[in-house]
Amino acid sequence: GENVEQHPSTLSVQEGDSAVIKCTYSDSASNYFPWYKQELGKRPQLIIDIRSNVGEKKDQRIAVTLNKTAKHFSLHITETQPEDSAVYFCAASKSRRGFQKLVFGTGTRLLVSP
Amino acid sequence: GAVVSQHPSWVICKSGTSVKIECRSLDFQATTMFWYRQFPKQSLMLMATSNEGSKATYEQGVEKDKFLINHASLTLSTLTVTSAHPEDSSFYICSARDPRERETSTDTQYFGPGTRLTVL
Repeated sequence: GENVEQHPSTLSVQEGDSAVIKCTYSDSASNYFPWYKQELGKRPQLIIDIRSNVGEKKDQRIAVTLNKTAKHFSLHITETQPEDSAVYFCAASKSRRGFQKLVFGTGTRLLVSP
Repeated sequence: GAVVSQHPSWVICKSGTSVKIECRSLDFQATTMFWYRQFPKQSLMLMATSNEGSKATYEQGVEKDKFLINHASLTLSTLTVTSAHPEDSSFYICSARDPRERETSTDTQYFGPGTRLTVL
């Protein structure tokens, strides 16, 4: 089955710096890669996602890149703000007819210091 | 986006008792819902896929007789933790996809707010 690895487990940056979180996946058939942000005790919130037919996607300060050959994808946050502090999870699934399950990475705790 | 609710948001129970957690899709019909368990400072681990009108599909290592899933309607799935023990204490989260988004090829899963279970 699919296995998703995520690095780093913790990341501390100064406000205004950029943050990069990287994930690798094992199943070459996976074609949908969402990123979730989870604040303490709350539900995961989708922040951005990418499908395998696209190499990069950007939404304001957040971008995701995908390298299908290497089977890795990354989350980039620019101009970080204290409110970006949270745990970020990457995930992968094989999207096809029917609803496919998500396999999550281990999470990255991001701390943005003022 | 679609809205998923859970009830209760937290529950404390005695060891040996059973606890039922509800997951509802509020503004859409969900033929499939997913149940996750999250231990402190850990990732979300899929427990089972709940299918309306049929048996749930459990992940390897998850005891189906201990974690009973019932998806009796298109808007409600329930997870019952039977004979709960302290090691079952965790954050249980459900999710669902909005079938209306299938037309746009969106695979977004919408998560409920979670239920924190503490077994004494």
